[in-house]
Amino acid sequence: QQQVKQSPQSLIVQKGGISIINCAYENTAFDYFPWYQQFPGKGPALLIAIRPDVSEKKEGRFTISFNKSAKQFSLHIMDSQPGDSATYFCAASRVRDDKIIFGKGTRLHILP
Amino acid sequence: GAGVSQTPSNKVTEKGKYVELRCDPISGHTALYWYRQSLGQGPEFLIYFQGTGAADDSGLPNDRFFAVRPEGSVSTLKIQRTERGDSAVYLCASSLLRHNNEQFFGPGTRLTVL
Repeated sequence: QQQVKQSPQSLIVQKGGISIINCAYENTAFDYFPWYQQFPGKGPALLIAIRPDVSEKKEGRFTISFNKSAKQFSLHIMDSQPGDSATYFCAASRVRDDKIIFGKGTRLHILP
Repeated sequence: GAGVSQTPSNKVTEKGKYVELRCDPISGHTALYWYRQSLGQGPEFLIYFQGTGAADDSGLPNDRFFAVRPEGSVSTLKIQRTERGDSAVYLCASSLLRHNNEQFFGPGTRLTVL
């Protein structure tokens, strides 16, 4: 059973547009929801993370929206730039655990 | 400062051979993790070390996989009798403290089993 479901699998956005990636989770015990960005040949890098006691977190052009009742969260990238082209992973974990459960990833391509 | 480093960056081996993959975590990080990333998939947890001990090895797929961290710093992932299905990128991550979810990943070792 896939614990973190991510969509879409791939996404193409015009430069300056808004990129939106969605995730849904099953385990209500999860209490930490990070997003990772991965460039080809590199390891994933933490982009932004949220805990379920808030509904939104914004860092620069990146915003996480969190809906606890629906068990869904999403990443919004405002004013998308070609340098944002990468694979994005949503993930979830429990703070008292140590492993992170990743979604399958979204390949984002920003058209110049 | 230096990030997590992994060696080798690429490893090609034949089916049935033994391989060792090395991870050097960020200095001072007590927690170390191994993940496996297959093509087009997200990383999957393999094992977690707190200090020298394996605190959670529930992600190791079978007994051909083993990992050690004898001095609480460098870790080695060992795979015996490699199979073609073991081909993947093996990622190492470290974090400063236990239960600190901010994990810093290395670039990975791409393992190809022929």
